[in-house]
Amino acid sequence: QKEVEQNSGPLSVPEGAIASLNCTYSDRGSQSFFWYRQYSGKSPELIMFIYSNGDKEDGRFTAQLNKASQYVSLLIRDSQPSDSATYLCAARGNFGNEKLTFGTGTRLTIIP
Amino acid sequence: DVKVTQSSRYLVKRTGEKVFLECVQDMDHENMFWYRQDPGLGLRLIYFSYDVKMKEKGDIPEGYSVSREKKERFSLILESASTNQTSMYLCASSLPHVGGISYEQYFGPGTRLTVT
Repeated sequence: QKEVEQNSGPLSVPEGAIASLNCTYSDRGSQSFFWYRQYSGKSPELIMFIYSNGDKEDGRFTAQLNKASQYVSLLIRDSQPSDSATYLCAARGNFGNEKLTFGTGTRLTIIP
Repeated sequence: DVKVTQSSRYLVKRTGEKVFLECVQDMDHENMFWYRQDPGLGLRLIYFSYDVKMKEKGDIPEGYSVSREKKERFSLILESASTNQTSMYLCASSLPHVGGISYEQYFGPGTRLTVT
């Protein structure tokens, strides 16, 4: 069973601090990784994706990928109350595999 | 702007009923997906379609079937609804991965199905 694992939380972070969300995956052939945000009662929406080792930055968000350690993370700088949501990590397998495997999500709460 | 719509936000059905969930996307995406989402279990793939009339089982296909007669429409069918199929059902669509480039999945608003 190919798995993506996340700490379910809840993770509480003070407003203005850095929130760090982590994800590990078991399929070493996984090619690309996605971070989705899901507000309560809403559907997931993409924050960013990454497929090369290293960091990828988009505004206050930074995704980090380490394929050797099979580890993906999402950093949120200057956390805002509006960042309070569940964050889903997803991995796509080998080339030609259209499906994503999702983790169970980490619930993040930003404390004003 | 990509739009994925689902026929109902909330649905209540009785055990044994045949249930149809409809999903429509307006971006000419080849790929369409049906997931269910349950607390503590995350998003689980039920079925996937990569072209009209083509389908592939996901991780939990038992008790479900799908239909894709047109590119923009993907239907999930519960042949005989049971209480353990009470869940949030999410449809998604995406472009196919080409040349190593990955494309995101766009999700519909979800249908919360209750089977009594």
